[in-house]
Amino acid sequence: QSALTQPASVSGSLGQSITISCTGTSSDVGGYNYVSWYQQHPGRAPKLMIFDVTDRPSGVSNRFSGSKSGNTASLTISGLQAEDEAEYYCSSYTSTITVVFGGGTKLTVL
Amino acid sequence: EVQLVESGGGLVQPGGSLRLSCSASGFTFSDYGLHWVRQAPGKGLEFISAINTDGDRTYYADSVKGRFTISRDNSRNTLFLQMSSLKIEDTALYYCVKDILVIQYWGQGAQVTVSS
Repeated sequence: QSALTQPASVSGSLGQSITISCTGTSSDVGGYNYVSWYQQHPGRAPKLMIFDVTDRPSGVSNRFSGSKSGNTASLTISGLQAEDEAEYYCSSYTSTITVVFGGGTKLTVL
Repeated sequence: EVQLVESGGGLVQPGGSLRLSCSASGFTFSDYGLHWVRQAPGKGLEFISAINTDGDRTYYADSVKGRFTISRDNSRNTLFLQMSSLKIEDTALYYCVKDILVIQYWGQGAQVTVSS
């Protein structure tokens, strides 16, 4: 099972918006509405930010939003803050009845 | 409160074996399929194994198939991962998780280092 494709890095200035893409296939991202996004700061466990493509867990800022079009899911962060600087991972259910993760995207807040 | 506590990690030589354990609390253990996810140093997350509620169905990533065995003891609320024929590339922090599609709870992980 190949990892989902994410850009290695993205950057944005304080207050701006950025979008991170997560591209898979019709056997994973495109075939199911089970895409999640995780934020990971160095030395910490990942934190769930988005699930089921668009839903936010309780306590996660509404600056974080998710979407999907075809085989590509996206995470958008608006009003960038310094604490948003982290690694972001997507995941998706797959037709093999398992889950696949993206390779991760390093977000730098300028 | 859901708690997942991994243990059993350590330093092992290539070709060696280790058994990880994950002690769970705060939820009805036998109602959930469980999974192992790992993260190599400086790398991303990788699903490696899953087991259903009864323990009679298991799944493995190709990278560990034939070398790792997942099991569970519902009477002890414990998940296991028996790792054998370990390779240097198995060096990682190993997490046990529930709800693999929506991972809200993470333990501290068990560090496995394979080195000669």
